[in-house]
Amino acid sequence: GAGVSQSPSNKVTEKGKDVELRCDPISGHTALYWYRQRLGQGLEFLIYFQGNSAPDKSGLPSDRFSAERTGESVSTLTIQRTQQEDSAVYLCASSPRSVTGQGSPLHFGNGTRLTVT
Amino acid sequence: SQKIEQNSEALNIQEGKTATLTCNYTNYSPAYLQWYRQDPGRGPVFLLLIRENEKEKRKERLKVTFDTTLKQSLFHITASQPADSATYLCALANTGGFKTIFGAGTRLFVKA
Repeated sequence: GAGVSQSPSNKVTEKGKDVELRCDPISGHTALYWYRQRLGQGLEFLIYFQGNSAPDKSGLPSDRFSAERTGESVSTLTIQRTQQEDSAVYLCASSPRSVTGQGSPLHFGNGTRLTVT
Repeated sequence: SQKIEQNSEALNIQEGKTATLTCNYTNYSPAYLQWYRQDPGRGPVFLLLIRENEKEKRKERLKVTFDTTLKQSLFHITASQPADSATYLCALANTGGFKTIFGAGTRLFVKA
């Protein structure tokens, strides 16, 4: 079946512009995650959704970052007034994790590479 | 603060040998630990999951150990192949599993 799909795959934007990144999770996956990966570094947790509720937003770097999810479907990560430090690969993952958390693996998309000039 | 440490230096081994990668963590009591593989330009791909009450898990040429006393996991690839060359990421999650945190990964090169 189809995996996690992210769009666009690449985005170049000027400093100060707003960008929207999209994630289509695997159908039926209730949990959805956003991570940021800077060049040569590990994954930095941004936000987690269970359904369309976001119980943990603790990783969002600043109030310029926000995310939404429609039901158990598409999610968008919005970065307002982009800065050069926002340049990174933004990865989305989904999981069939239940509320009890049985340790389901995360299924990742291939990310959106954001470059802020 | 919670911290996951993986060897930042690349690991170079000869084809056919066993590769062993280390994951250490501090200030965390994970319910389970996962290993992922990441190729350049791609998202991580899940390999193995081991729970806190399990000592060892195997899958084909892969073996993972989990020592909650030492706060350490070892990831082994036996009979390594050049196709195993990639970055391997360790990830931890608590009982709720909501916030899965990742190490920076270790780059593995397997030479033919």
